Amino acid sequence: GQSLEQPSEVTAVEGAIVQINCTYQTSGFYGLSWYQQHDGGAPTFLSYNGLDGLEETGRFSSFLSRSDSYGYLLLQELQMKDSASYFCASSLSGNTPLVFGKGTRLSVIA
Amino acid sequence: GAGVSQSPSNKVTEKGKDVELRCDPISGHTALYWYRQSLGQGLEFLIYFQGNSAPDKSGLPSDRFSAERTGGSVSTLTIQRTQQEDSAVYLCASSLQSGKNQETQYFGPGTRLLVL
Repeated sequence: GQSLEQPSEVTAVEGAIVQINCTYQTSGFYGLSWYQQHDGGAPTFLSYNGLDGLEETGRFSSFLSRSDSYGYLLLQELQMKDSASYFCASSLSGNTPLVFGKGTRLSVIA
Repeated sequence: GAGVSQSPSNKVTEKGKDVELRCDPISGHTALYWYRQSLGQGLEFLIYFQGNSAPDKSGLPSDRFSAERTGGSVSTLTIQRTQQEDSAVYLCASSLQSGKNQETQYFGPGTRLLVL
């Protein structure tokens, strides 16, 4: 089976940097994805790490270390609109459903 | 092009009634997923369709839940004899399934189901 652990809540100041961690225990592993979900909205894809290392997309970066079964999402220059829930997700293979963590609720304050 | 659409957006029903939830995936996407999300919780996988293969039903919580996908496109999730614990947001997602890497899933807006 698979399980992904992430903090339930994080609060950060506008303009700052925040890191949301995700640790996983899986019987198989096919990369780590991150999704963002605003209240009342649908999850939207942010980033994917298939290999170890850092992936950068604008203000968002994601990191994966397979040896440590660990990844994180890094958000820079935080904006109020970044207040949302962030989910890490993984799958056993490239064509199996994603297993999601319980999500981290990020609150950006002025 | 259009994204994933779901209907109805909201559904209130009485305990014991049957409900049908509809999902229209992105055109050309061969994979379709149903998830359930309770308030403040993560996404719980329910069922997965891939092309003409037999669906992966491993996430369905009970035999009251079933789903169909007609013509490789539209899908209907049916919940029979609804219970109050079925109240949740039901999310549908689709992906291209090119067979390369972990596919990005595109989610619909969800159907908010409330069982009274």
